[in-house]
Amino acid sequence: QVQLVQSGAEVKKPGASVKVSCKASGYTFTNYYMHWVRQAPGQGLEWMGRINPNSGGTNCTQKFQGRVTMTRDTSISTAYMELSRLTSDDTAVYYCARDLPPVDWGQGTLVTVSS
Amino acid sequence: DIQMTQSPSSLSASVGDRVTITCRASQDISYYLAWFQQKPGKAPKSLIYAASSLHSGVPSKFSGSRSGTNFTLTISSLRPEDFATYYCQQYNSYPLTFGGGTKVEIK
Repeated sequence: QVQLVQSGAEVKKPGASVKVSCKASGYTFTNYYMHWVRQAPGQGLEWMGRINPNSGGTNCTQKFQGRVTMTRDTSISTAYMELSRLTSDDTAVYYCARDLPPVDWGQGTLVTVSS
Repeated sequence: DIQMTQSPSSLSASVGDRVTITCRASQDISYYLAWFQQKPGKAPKSLIYAASSLHSGVPSKFSGSRSGTNFTLTISSLRPEDFATYYCQQYNSYPLTFGGGTKVEIK
């Protein structure tokens, strides 16, 4: 069965960067887009961007342009999302999700930004 | 960007009730609309895609429909496990956008 397993919780200081990983199994990694979605505490879902694991091509929302980097390592079926210049507003659970529209979701990674 | 307006933001209902949630797109998105269910502390679960198609394993008490740019999610005969927050998402064009969510609570 499809599984998306994300890396563990992170605590970062303002101005730092965080890199979240999403390891896929149970399907051909390069055949499906991988999306990144975040959810701030008590808030709704916010789509950040997506990567085409086959080509490496990415799209992201304008809000995160210049601050988010999405990459993948096809040899280990893993997608990565790196967010730089963190502020307290970036405190959230970050999810990876497979396909369009998203079908399978990772368990989420809590990123806490605090001085 | 396409705005997704979801209503109501919350509702109270009883076990056995029929519930309808509405999502309106700010422009034509054809049938490229998905619905998700999320329980506290859990990842979203995909329920419906293409406005009305159920994902595998999703019970038939969930149904979706489209009328122009208006979309509805209906849950017939609420069960305790259905109390959750529901989100719509358009995937007609990037950036993908979500509705604000509807929290279904127990009356």
